[in-house]
Amino acid sequence: DGGITQSPKYLFRKEGQNVTLSCEQNLNHDAMYWYRQDPGQGLRLIYYSQIVNDFQKGDIAEGYSVSREKKESFPLTVTSAQKNPTAFYLCASSFGGPETQYFGPGTRLLVL
Amino acid sequence: SQQGEEDPQALSIQEGENATMNCSYKTSINNLQWYRQNSGRGLVHLILIRSNEREKHSGRLRVTLDTSKKSSSLLITASRAADTASYFCATDAKGGSEKLVFGKGTKLTVNP
Repeated sequence: DGGITQSPKYLFRKEGQNVTLSCEQNLNHDAMYWYRQDPGQGLRLIYYSQIVNDFQKGDIAEGYSVSREKKESFPLTVTSAQKNPTAFYLCASSFGGPETQYFGPGTRLLVL
Repeated sequence: SQQGEEDPQALSIQEGENATMNCSYKTSINNLQWYRQNSGRGLVHLILIRSNEREKHSGRLRVTLDTSKKSSSLLITASRAADTASYFCATDAKGGSEKLVFGKGTKLTVNP
């Protein structure tokens, strides 16, 4: 069953804590993306990766970090430097370029 | 770096009516895509239209693209309550951008 998965569905972060959101795909896609969505808003690009071991900053990368050690996986770490992390985080993948992106179900991050 | 802008922000119609949403963008594009998002879920790709295409159909969906006006419209015919969702347009930018830029979306409510 091909698809893209995100975990956990809900994540709670304490002050000063780093948390990591998981994103895995078995679609054999080269490109992967992380977006942030705030209530009533569109998607803003945090980071993206076109190939393994390479990634680029998106529009709002400050306070976030990523790694791309495997084609299937693109975890996002929300660091303590991100002062307003409460949002819905969406991961997507594609064959690359400005083509169709396939989205995971999202992770909602809340601050305790 | 918002590219697409949907209009209206919200639309409420009765089941069986048609729903039309519009998207305007600023720079030349290679393609334009429409996505749907049910509340609290990931985005689902609906349709992609390339810059050299003027109209595309998929089931009850009809998308038009007017590159001279830098605008696109999404028509959903014979709407159903299950069409209730937010609809986003996404554009790339000519010049080889591998990123998509999403608008803020139109929230469609179809009343039974």
